[in-house]
Amino acid sequence: DAKTTQPNSMESNEEEPVHLPCNHSTISGTDYIHWYRQLPSQGPEYVIHGLTSNVNNRMASLAIAEDRKSSTLILHRATLRDAAVYYCIPSPWETSGSRLTFGEGTQLTVNP
Amino acid sequence: DAGVTQSPTHLIKTRGQQVTLRCSPKSGHDTVSWYQQALGQGPQFIFQYYEEEERQRGNFPDRFSGHQFPNYSSELNVNALLLGDSALYLCASSLGAGWGNQPQHFGDGTRLSIL
Repeated sequence: DAKTTQPNSMESNEEEPVHLPCNHSTISGTDYIHWYRQLPSQGPEYVIHGLTSNVNNRMASLAIAEDRKSSTLILHRATLRDAAVYYCIPSPWETSGSRLTFGEGTQLTVNP
Repeated sequence: DAGVTQSPTHLIKTRGQQVTLRCSPKSGHDTVSWYQQALGQGPQFIFQYYEEEERQRGNFPDRFSGHQFPNYSSELNVNALLLGDSALYLCASSLGAGWGNQPQHFGDGTRLSIL
């Protein structure tokens, strides 16, 4: 499994954009990059995933570096509900729906 | 549309006892994975069940076992409980043994405390 490096914590203000970085320099060519988040007292929640090009959905955007050694999760307007631990998880296409290797993630604090 | 449900939500046991945790997958899903999350850490993969068989297993001892029923629900059994087994146990479901890069859907877990 590819190793990831994420900041332990980040802080943002409500209604401002948030950029959460992730380094995954040992990623293989067929690994997708998944992001999950875990709100307090809840199980992890899928956010977004991508392979090479940038991806957008209703929750967030994912920007993937051209060399794929890093990615950034973008929350366009942070809300208090976005306060959570965010996990960046490179995972092979074949197994990403069944086995996720979580690191320690980034604790995001959103200030009102 | 019912999501992943787990029971019980909290459980207290003593060392040496055995415990069974239960999981019902999201409607339409046929694959169940179990994770252990110690306090302050990310979840760790225990094993996955598909077609009533264990398909993948993480680095956990044989004290951890499971079962999947024909209705796709699943149980996690832990024997000879140790203090270190205290954790949040998470169940996740997906479709088709996880192939095809599908997101996993997690329940809110069972908090197991060992005294």
